[in-house]
Amino acid sequence: SQTIHQWPATLVQPVGSPLSLECTVEGTSNPNLYWYRQAAGRGLQLLFYSVGIGQISSEVPQNLSASRPQDRQFILSSKKLLLSDSGFYLCAWRRIEAFFGQGTRLTVV
Amino acid sequence: GIQVEQSPPDLILQEGANSTLRCNFSDSVNNLQWFHQNPWGQLINLFYIPSGTKQNGRLSATTVATERYSLLYISSSQTTDSGVYFCAVGGGADGLTFGKGTHLIIQP
Repeated sequence: SQTIHQWPATLVQPVGSPLSLECTVEGTSNPNLYWYRQAAGRGLQLLFYSVGIGQISSEVPQNLSASRPQDRQFILSSKKLLLSDSGFYLCAWRRIEAFFGQGTRLTVV
Repeated sequence: GIQVEQSPPDLILQEGANSTLRCNFSDSVNNLQWFHQNPWGQLINLFYIPSGTKQNGRLSATTVATERYSLLYISSSQTTDSGVYFCAVGGGADGLTFGKGTHLIIQP
């Protein structure tokens, strides 16, 4: 069966520090991969998606970037974090139905 | 882009009650999912239902694609049903668009 791993679960980072969040999927090949952010309140906003290695599409302009160095690995990065980058980050994979990782709660202080 | 509206935004019920959550969307879609977000933030898949009706225990869902809405039914509510319920829709590979969710509280 397919599983999705996302880490770390929580992270507290100072303003201006770099960020790297990793997501890996097991049990499937060539999945579509996604990064979402859930800010205070409830809505989930799509940040990036990828349909293959090295292929990244960005939905909103921001301080973040994404990379897909391997088929089942998706990385969310920032060179310098802002306070506004705080939030709950979720990785997802999809063939037909989408499945989400457990999320990373990021607090920028 | 596609718009997704969920109602009601908040719902407080007594244990044992039934509820209906609604999701309206602004354009035709080929993917519609219902999720339950638990207190730890994890999104739990409830239904993949771009059209038709499905049931899973006390939960059921119906999507009328031609009229661009979906309904989630919860019967005989339990306190563990509390949380936020999201509807999300999509077309191609470019991800799901989420509604703002319905915050459900089940009181004992």
